[in-house]
Amino acid sequence: DAGITQSPRHKVTETGTPVTLRCHQTENHRYMYWYRQDPGHGLRLIHYSYGVKDTDKGEVSDGYSVSRSKTEDFLLTLESATSSQTSVYFCAISEGTGGMYSPLHFGNGTRLTVT
Amino acid sequence: QKEVEQDPGPLSVPEGAIVSLNCTYSNSAFQYFMWYRQYSRKGPELLMYTYSSGNKEDGRFTAQVDKSSKYISLFIRDSQPSDSATYLCATVTGNQFYFGTGTSLTVIP
Repeated sequence: DAGITQSPRHKVTETGTPVTLRCHQTENHRYMYWYRQDPGHGLRLIHYSYGVKDTDKGEVSDGYSVSRSKTEDFLLTLESATSSQTSVYFCAISEGTGGMYSPLHFGNGTRLTVT
Repeated sequence: QKEVEQDPGPLSVPEGAIVSLNCTYSNSAFQYFMWYRQYSRKGPELLMYTYSSGNKEDGRFTAQVDKSSKYISLFIRDSQPSDSATYLCATVTGNQFYFGTGTSLTVIP
């Protein structure tokens, strides 16, 4: 397995509360991604990072923010959780070789339920 | 139009059958194509990738790309119950990845 650890693995929270999910990698890869996976929608990109303090939005970024203060850690924050954010969240990493193919490796996900 | 379209299935086959999983893609500029396998409650894991057109074989798995029709396929020979999973096709441009929604496969002993 690629050295990716997501925490927590499961979380139940109430509507309106902030939630932070953590992704930690031991591969020293440059690119880190947050996806959510929902039935019928597949994997959708929330945010990604191409270096420390360098982040950009994905297709479903509303209501989410991210931070990357160290190469190995990428945090996803739900600023005020809503029921529509109930999902499985996956962190992924890629070496990022400037246009050449570099595979994407995934963590085992965080299952978030917003009640 | 989504970048990658995939038949969601589900697909159920007897053990030993040949399985064909398929996707179409929209942009003729895509060159790298991947198949991921995802077991229940796990993250997707890279199964195979191909560059441009043609076939790539790895054991019981064959990935095929037909650029003229923008069609990608994964064939599984002698399918096993351990192949029961969801299979996702994907492509990439730069560092942006595009995924199909996945096909759920069950191999019945």
